[in-house]
Amino acid sequence: AQSVTQLDSQVPVFEEAPVELRCNYSSSVSVYLFWYVQYPNQGLQLLLKYLSGSTLVKGINGFEAEFNKSQTSFHLRKPSVHISDTAEYFCAVRGGTYKYIFGTGTRLKVLA
Amino acid sequence: SQTIHQWPATLVQPVGSPLSLECTVEGTSNPNLYWYRQAAGRGLQLLFYSVGIGQISSEVPQNLSASRPQDRQFILSSKKLLLSDSGFYLCALSVWDNEQFFGPGTRLTVL
Repeated sequence: AQSVTQLDSQVPVFEEAPVELRCNYSSSVSVYLFWYVQYPNQGLQLLLKYLSGSTLVKGINGFEAEFNKSQTSFHLRKPSVHISDTAEYFCAVRGGTYKYIFGTGTRLKVLA
Repeated sequence: SQTIHQWPATLVQPVGSPLSLECTVEGTSNPNLYWYRQAAGRGLQLLFYSVGIGQISSEVPQNLSASRPQDRQFILSSKKLLLSDSGFYLCALSVWDNEQFFGPGTRLTVL
């Protein structure tokens, strides 16, 4: 069975500082990996995805993530955050079925 | 591009009352459709998914049900709501099993 672990429930960071949100997954088959962002009272918006190819994936809003198969990780990074990046971030995996498994989310709080 | 509509945006219902939440999709055909629930401060719980008209898979045994009467319509229902049914309900679709696209959600409060 597949699972996703987001190790940090909350991450505070000062504006213009770098940030890394961690995601680890488990799966016995090849996976597709995703990061989504959710602003308050809204649906989820896709930030980036890894389907195959280059392990460094660039997404919207300056975010990027690196797929590391040996460490079964897909950490999300941004070199300089803005106040507007304050939101909840979800890592998700799909492998072999129609189902997508989501992590419990990480609340990013950007401080002025 | 795909668009997902969810109706209503917010809903307050008494315990024991029925529920019907609607999700309609535009801009795609034969999508896989999903219902998720997001409780306060928690992640997404997959409730149902559908790969075609009349085909529903249930992930969690509960007092909710889902139906897909048309290719682009997905309905979540309950005959009698419980307090624990409160939450943020999200409809999503996927095409070719790549990323999912999410609707704006319905905030349900059961009192």
